[in-house]
Amino acid sequence: AQKVTQAQTEISVVEKEDVTLDCVYETRDTTYYLFWYKQPPSGELVFLIRRNSFDEQNEISGRYSWNFQKSTSSFNFTITASQVVDSAVYFCALDSNYQLIWGAGTKLIIKP
Amino acid sequence: DTGVSQNPRHKITKRGQNVTFRCDPISEHNRLYWYRQTLGQGPEFLTYFQNEAQLEKSRLLSDRFSAERPKGSFSTLEIQRTEQGDSAMYLCASSLGGGGAVDTQYFGPGTRLTVL
Repeated sequence: AQKVTQAQTEISVVEKEDVTLDCVYETRDTTYYLFWYKQPPSGELVFLIRRNSFDEQNEISGRYSWNFQKSTSSFNFTITASQVVDSAVYFCALDSNYQLIWGAGTKLIIKP
Repeated sequence: DTGVSQNPRHKITKRGQNVTFRCDPISEHNRLYWYRQTLGQGPEFLTYFQNEAQLEKSRLLSDRFSAERPKGSFSTLEIQRTEQGDSAMYLCASSLGGGGAVDTQYFGPGTRLTVL
């Protein structure tokens, strides 16, 4: 069965701290894609990254970085030097026949 | 380039009434998806269109739910005889797909349904 687990329900840090959001997935597919989305208080899901299972290189985009490890079925997301505007719910998702299977999300609170 | 739009943004209805939501995808996108999201949870897949063809339906989509995409552009999601358990955020996404590859879904702002 396809499953995505985000064990951290809520994380609270002080601005400028680094924070890592965990994502563990289960799939029997040999080819698959993983995604991260951000859902700010306004509610609209914002696409952050897509990663296919053949590409295990870490990805960096500004203050955001992603660590994909097939050996542990994890796709973790790190925000460096967090800012108040990073406060949101972050979702990890796995594709399954064009559907996205979602984790329950991690609520990130950045305190000034 | 406009994103995915959804109307209405909020809908309050009484139990037993019918409601219809509209989604306008990004203009060149051929795939359209509906999801439902309840408070504190991730979205749950409801259905998926490629052009005007409805290719996948979740078992969550009971007989009271119907979705259409008549001309392969906008889509409507209708819920008949609403129940309080239907209260949720209904999300629409679109993507540009082809060649069997998985593509990136871009989401609209959602329609929040409250059934009294």
